[in-house]
Amino acid sequence: EAGVVQSPRYKIIEKKQPVAFWCNPISGHNTLYWYLQNLGQGPELLIRYENEEAVDDSQLPKDRFSAERLKGVDSTLKIQPAELGDSAVYLCASSLPGSRTDTQYFGPGTRLTVL
Amino acid sequence: DAKTTQPPSMDCAEGRAANLPCNHSTISGNEYVYWYRQIHSQGPQYIIHGLKNNETNEMASLIITEDRKSSTLILPHATLRDTAVYYCIVKTDGNKLVFGAGTILRVKS
Repeated sequence: EAGVVQSPRYKIIEKKQPVAFWCNPISGHNTLYWYLQNLGQGPELLIRYENEEAVDDSQLPKDRFSAERLKGVDSTLKIQPAELGDSAVYLCASSLPGSRTDTQYFGPGTRLTVL
Repeated sequence: DAKTTQPPSMDCAEGRAANLPCNHSTISGNEYVYWYRQIHSQGPQYIIHGLKNNETNEMASLIITEDRKSSTLILPHATLRDTAVYYCIVKTDGNKLVFGAGTILRVKS
């Protein structure tokens, strides 16, 4: 079974430019998460989707970050404009609600470098 | 959110058992203990989880104390590929994983 797929794996942009990350969750997983991981720290949740609905976006900086999951499958996370402090790894995870403990499975992440 | 405390780093000899401790003294009765690991440049990998009873799978064993205030992840025969950051997490309501700094496990030959 394929895992969570993310692209691109690496992205280098200049500050003030826009950037987008794509995630395809495990087939059948209708809950999708975006996490941010700064160097040397654990991941932090940005947003959680149940199907198309963002049910927890309290940690998403809405002035520059946006996310969408239009058909309840793939998702895109966007930053516009990017700042130097946005350099980090952006992780996507998915889970299957209704299973006994709703375990989250992570993708490999996208490493963003803002110059 | 129930917090966890882990040692910042540990060393283990290759082929020996690696025992990674975690304290979670404020855990609630219906909260699960999860363990993930993260190998360099990869996403976190699920290892195991438990509520009250000890658990074992193909990767590891999880021993939870009777009062549930601490647990130990056991890798029975550590290999160099087990070198990673190991995260102990108490999963909150809403399936939220709150990661701490974790334990850096270095397996040495």
